[in-house]
Formats: sequence, structure tokens, C-alpha cells
Amino acid sequence: DAMVIQNPRYQVTQFGKPVTLSCSQTLNHNVMYWYQQKSSQAPKLLFHYYDKDFNNEADTPDNFQSRRPNTSFCFLDIRSPGLGDAAMYLCATTPIGGDTEAFFGQGTRLTVV
Amino acid sequence: GQQLNQSPQSMFIQEGEDVSMNCTSSSIFNTWLWYKQDPGEGPVLLIALYKAGELTSNGRLTAQFGITRKDSFLNISASIPSDVGIYFCVGEYGNKLVFGAGTILRVKS
Repeated sequence: DAMVIQNPRYQVTQFGKPVTLSCSQTLNHNVMYWYQQKSSQAPKLLFHYYDKDFNNEADTPDNFQSRRPNTSFCFLDIRSPGLGDAAMYLCATTPIGGDTEAFFGQGTRLTVV
Repeated sequence: GQQLNQSPQSMFIQEGEDVSMNCTSSSIFNTWLWYKQDPGEGPVLLIALYKAGELTSNGRLTAQFGITRKDSFLNISASIPSDVGIYFCVGEYGNKLVFGAGTILRVKS
């Protein structure tokens, strides 16, 4: 059974129209990550939650926001998507302390038209 | 910041050949993870390494955690067409995950 679930798998949004991607996990992991991945490149960390503590990467644009209402769910909000934001978005989880397997969702492929 | 050098960038091999890829870093990691990513999917864990010097196998895959804790390799023996994909090494230090740039593997039947 999938342990990290991302919805939707595919999302098409209009240029400038806010969009929200969701991630849920059944692992009860405290740490959740959001990555952006462009074609054939390594995933790039946008931000992560260490329990309720939000940690933004220095080069993550302000256009990207996140919410974590509880341990199980985490959302990625893109306030005004541009064409350059078209990518695969990956959610991952690890337990606090890390140094163990990171579990990834199947990803959401975002297309901006 | 911490960086991983993953090589080779890509490989185009004949079915049945063995494959080797590696990652090196100037930083020490506590854990090395090797993932495979198919097109349009999320990364899937192949092998996790937790101790320096550890050598672990998973079917046709073998990976080692370098003794200096700064490197790791992954070998695939007798490649088959479904081995096609992108392979990522990930060095882990606590909750910090550092990705290699990936190795694109293509297999000729």
C-alpha cells in the first residue's frame, strides 16, 4: 500500500492561477519535504517541515508556500504559477533524526498553460 | 554546502552487461541511499547503507558504503531492459538529504 500519497498525479493550471498540491502520509513521520524536479535533473529541495517547524530553502521563490495542518498532510501552494514552474513536484518523509530511508510519493506533474 | 558528485551522467549499455556508478563527496554522511526513478514516477529505494564499509545486495544490485563515509557505489549485474531509468545516490546526515545529479541508464536489447 502506498505510504506517501500525492494528489493529483497530474495538474494543469493556467498561467497566474493559484494551484495547490497535496501530500498525505500514513507513516506518522515528523519530517516532510517538498521537492521540485525538472526533466532528467535531481530533485531540488523547496522546503521542509521538521514537525511543525517550517524550513524554507534560501533560493525558494516567494511564489511557493506550504502548509502542514497536521502530521499526516502537507500542501504546496503556488500563488502565481509561471511557465518556469512546470515540473514534477515530489513529497517525501523521514522520521525525526533521519539517517534512514526517505519515502517518496509518486509525484505531481504540473503543467502551466 | 554539501555536494555529491555522481558519475557517470549517462550510460547506454547492451542487455546483459554489468553497470557501475558511484558518488563521491567532500562531506561525511551517516547513510547512503540509492534510488531508481522511472519516467513520471517518484524515486523508489533500491538499497540503504547505514555503516561505513557496509556491502549490501538486493538481487542483481550491490552497493557499498565507502570506508571514509564520503563515497558509495552501486553495481547492477546482467542488466535487463527494465533497468532503464535514472539512478540517484542520496547522502543523508540526520534529516538532511543531499542528491547526486543522477545517472541515466539506457539498455539496448
